[in-house]
Amino acid sequence: GEQVEQLPSILRVQEGSSASINCSYEDSASNYFPWYKQEPGENPKLIIDIRSNMERKQIQELIVLLDKKAKRFSLHITDTQPGDSAMYFCAARGNAGAKLTFGGGTRLTVRP
Amino acid sequence: GALVYQYPRRTICKSGTSMRMECQAVGFQATSVAWYRQSPQKTFELIALSTVNSAIKYEQNFTQEKFPISHPNLSFSSMTVLNAYLEDRGLYLCGAYRGNYAEQFFGPGTRLTVL
Repeated sequence: GEQVEQLPSILRVQEGSSASINCSYEDSASNYFPWYKQEPGENPKLIIDIRSNMERKQIQELIVLLDKKAKRFSLHITDTQPGDSAMYFCAARGNAGAKLTFGGGTRLTVRP
Repeated sequence: GALVYQYPRRTICKSGTSMRMECQAVGFQATSVAWYRQSPQKTFELIALSTVNSAIKYEQNFTQEKFPISHPNLSFSSMTVLNAYLEDRGLYLCGAYRGNYAEQFFGPGTRLTVL
């Protein structure tokens, strides 16, 4: 089945700088790539997603890039704020029904 | 809006006993519901995917005998953790799909502690 690797597992950045999280997948049939933010004690919330017919998507300070050839996708948070501190999970979904395979997560800390 | 509720939010059970948890979709029809477990310090493992009027698909390492699921209509699903042990502790999330898997909404989770 699909495997998703997510790096780094821990990321600390200074407020105002950018943060980048990278994910890679194995199943070339995967066509949907959501990103979730999970704050302590809370459920994961979808923050941005990208489908395989796109290479780039931006929602405010969030940018996702997809390289289908390399089977990689990434999340970039520009101008980070302390409120961006959380766990972030990438995921991939292929043609095998609705199954989402998650990456291992990245704990982002934004220092004031 | 689309909301997913889970009950209970937190629960504690004795080792060897069972615990039932519920998932309710509000504001949309949940044609499919996926149950995940997030163990301490780990990512999300898919337990099973349940689609109304179809057989429930369990992932490797998870069985119906251990995690029986009921999905009787388009707004409700429940899962029981039978004979819970320490390795079953974690956050159990239900993710309800609207329509043809276009978007998945997660509930707040049921945090299970096993003593």
